[in-house]
Amino acid sequence: DAGVIQSPRHEVTEMGQEVTLRCKPISGHNSLFWYRQTMMRGLELLIYFNNNVPIDDSGMPEDRFSAKMPNASFSTLKIQPSEPRDSAVYFCASSLDDRGSDTQYFGPGTRLTVL
Amino acid sequence: GENVEQHPSTLSVQEGDSAVIKCTYSDSASNYFPWYKQELGKRPQLIIDIRSNVGEKKDQRIAVTLNKTAKHFSLHITETQPEDSAVYFCAASLDSNYQLIWGAGTKLIIKP
Repeated sequence: DAGVIQSPRHEVTEMGQEVTLRCKPISGHNSLFWYRQTMMRGLELLIYFNNNVPIDDSGMPEDRFSAKMPNASFSTLKIQPSEPRDSAVYFCASSLDDRGSDTQYFGPGTRLTVL
Repeated sequence: GENVEQHPSTLSVQEGDSAVIKCTYSDSASNYFPWYKQELGKRPQLIIDIRSNVGEKKDQRIAVTLNKTAKHFSLHITETQPEDSAVYFCAASLDSNYQLIWGAGTKLIIKP
């Protein structure tokens, strides 16, 4: 398996623009997580899907952020409009099921820079 | 809810020496404790984990110990090597709950 795939790997955009980050989880995994990582705040869970259904979006910072999982092999995280404080590395991770002990496999991340 | 504290934030050790990173958790119901390693510019990856029914687990040069009474667990790396340089994250969870509660991370620097 290729592991978790994320695109793009790097994104530079201007404030106010829409940004869409993409993720393909490991085949057969039922859980998908979107994280944001910054030096100041560490790893933050943004949203969690199980069987394509959003279970917990309490970490989504504000209405500018939205996430979808239309099928078991694809998820998007959208920021509209983007702001400089959204600059971070965004990781997608998947795990086999919904147990806390299921290993989370991270994608390579998308480094987002908002100018 | 669960809270995980990790110390130190930065640890510098001489190559060949041992390194110890400690984490404390607040929810006594937590029963699963993984450690992830993140090399510079890379993704976090699981390196070892322990469940609450076990006090210690080893895998070659790394080991994790758990003290349920004191609610803390530690990562031990022996005979450190340059490739051990990375940020290490501890986490805690309840097996019946999907969510990992992450520590803030420890930057481990191995001095040649």
